[in-house]
Amino acid sequence: QEKVQQSPESLIVPEGAMSSLNCTFSNSASQSIWWYQQHPGKGPEALISIFSNGNKKEGRLTVYLNRASLHVSLHIRDSQPSDSAVYLCAVKKLSGSFNKLTFGAGTRLAVCP
Amino acid sequence: EAAVTQSPRNKVAVTGGKVTLSCNQTNNHNNMYWYRQDTGHGLRLIHYSYGAGSTEKGDIPDGYKASRPSQENFSLILELATPSQTSVYFCASGPLGENTLYFGAGTRLSVL
Repeated sequence: QEKVQQSPESLIVPEGAMSSLNCTFSNSASQSIWWYQQHPGKGPEALISIFSNGNKKEGRLTVYLNRASLHVSLHIRDSQPSDSAVYLCAVKKLSGSFNKLTFGAGTRLAVCP
Repeated sequence: EAAVTQSPRNKVAVTGGKVTLSCNQTNNHNNMYWYRQDTGHGLRLIHYSYGAGSTEKGDIPDGYKASRPSQENFSLILELATPSQTSVYFCASGPLGENTLYFGAGTRLSVL
């Protein structure tokens, strides 16, 4: 079964700083990697995904994927207090998985004004 | 606006009792999912469905049943609730062939 590990467990950054979150997964054949954002008392919401090695940028978000090292990272530029949330990394298997995502335990981000 | 609605939002049950968690989606998505979220474990898949009438076991199905009577509705049933099933439960829907999941706001279940 796919294993997804996230680090750090929690992160505190000042407003305007870069936030960097990490995720490692166990299966190099995983098809795509997703990042979800979860605010307290709410369900997770999809933020950004990546399939190919390299990086993908959307607004203040950049994702880096290295399949050889089974590592993906999420970077939030110019972090805002509204970015404070739990960030979940999720991995989809290559085949026979019916859009089944395996989630990590999450990184709790706090952005201080 | 398309949405996934869960009911109830909070539930207290007694050990050995029957609990039904309900989920309704207006996204017209074929796929629906039930996850539970516990500290340190992240989201774990309990059951999922390809469409009306279908249910499939996820990674942790023991102690749970699911029912998909229609495209819009997907229920999670705990026939004999146990304290270990105390958790936050999330329902999600997703379009066929795509990977994005759309989650409800969750149901907090306490089994005493």
